[in-house]
Amino acid sequence: EPEVTQTPSHQVTQMGQEVILRCVPISNHLYFYWYRQILGQKVEFLVSFYNNEISEKSEIFDDQFSVERPDGSNFTLKIRSTKLEDSAMYFCASRGDNSPLHFGNGTRLTVT
Amino acid sequence: GNSVTQMEGPVTLSEEAFLTINCTYTATGYPSLFWYVQYPGEGLQLLLKATKADDKGSNKGFEATYRKETTSFHLEKGSVQVSDSAVYFCALSRTDSWGKLQFGAGTQVVVTP
Repeated sequence: EPEVTQTPSHQVTQMGQEVILRCVPISNHLYFYWYRQILGQKVEFLVSFYNNEISEKSEIFDDQFSVERPDGSNFTLKIRSTKLEDSAMYFCASRGDNSPLHFGNGTRLTVT
Repeated sequence: GNSVTQMEGPVTLSEEAFLTINCTYTATGYPSLFWYVQYPGEGLQLLLKATKADDKGSNKGFEATYRKETTSFHLEKGSVQVSDSAVYFCALSRTDSWGKLQFGAGTQVVVTP
């Protein structure tokens, strides 16, 4: 069964550094998403992406965050200047038309 | 706004026991409802869904019925196995946007032999 793959599985970075989290969605999917889960808290929606543009974003997704689909297969989340409170598990997800979300295994981001 | 409340864990039970995880929701309109499961070290996997009132979602022996009158979507399984040990998440979305999910806090289930 096709899968959403995320790399790396764990990323450690220093506060103030830029970080890019990478995802390869399922190949025939058209809708892409990022979610995050801070330890001990709920899984939260960050952003959705369709047709090469952001279709919806949460208030968490401020100017420090950006997403990009640089080619036909990758989907990335960039955090420009990481803060301690950005430490979380970040999940990429994708779906096709009228189908539910498929999630990747997540990238655990630790900001020190 | 929309929200999902599910029972706190961990829920610990013996193999072959009956499992119920309560989930209630608050939403405007008619949301779609989902249960996702997260096994240790893995991502969230869709377990089952229901898109309208009285629909029953089922998969791998798990069932949940969309109850509009009680705004609930409780998850049940008649006889759990050790391999069902995981974290279970109840979630909702707008009917026209299955991608933007509102999750509950998750309930950890531990099944012992």
